[in-house]
Amino acid sequence: SSELTQDPAVSVALGQTVRITCQGDSLRRYHANWYQQKPGQAPVLVIYGKDKRPSGIPDRFSGSSSGNTASLTITGAQAEDDADYYCNSRDNSGNLRVFGGGTRLTVL
Amino acid sequence: QVRLQQWGAGRLKPSETLSLTCAVHGGSFSGYHWSWIRQPAGKGLEWIGEIDDSGSTNYSPSLKSRVTISLDTSNNQFSLKLTSVTAADTAVYFCARALYFVWGVWGQGTTVIVSS
Repeated sequence: SSELTQDPAVSVALGQTVRITCQGDSLRRYHANWYQQKPGQAPVLVIYGKDKRPSGIPDRFSGSSSGNTASLTITGAQAEDDADYYCNSRDNSGNLRVFGGGTRLTVL
Repeated sequence: QVRLQQWGAGRLKPSETLSLTCAVHGGSFSGYHWSWIRQPAGKGLEWIGEIDDSGSTNYSPSLKSRVTISLDTSNNQFSLKLTSVTAADTAVYFCARALYFVWGVWGQGTTVIVSS
């Protein structure tokens, strides 16, 4: 079982804003990273260190955190954002890496 | 631009040893952690373990008794061995490079099927 909890599925209308959340005790201490994965492809890093974007990631992707919850927000969702999203961080000990169960985002 | 290229046997029988290798192109091992992550079909990502540039390893507790990750700096490669495989080990396996606990570069993935 995952120490990070995500909603299994979320949907958003094209052009609207959606927030995907990740909950876990370790997030009070460690930052979350977010990965986007499309079918048949390797995951791609979209947000790291809570709110930083790698080069090449559109600025409609943003990250935030409060308490034990990290969030990935897509402002103005596009059809190409239809994908699975995974959060990741460290466990409470700091030694192990953990993933959330993933959120399937559907752009309607 | 760093690229990871991975390969290994795609079909195993129960009790055999899974062996995968990941080659690092366009970069060095220094300063990074080198990880293996897997994903059963239709399911989420699972961290298997990692090795740093000094050869120090860190494994998922659920797999620790069966996993070995090693570094071959002379060939710019790192490897995964998972012993005594069962059907539950059937998955796509990814290698990845981490900097400060962030996986920024991934291999293409290798499908491993365990079946008698």
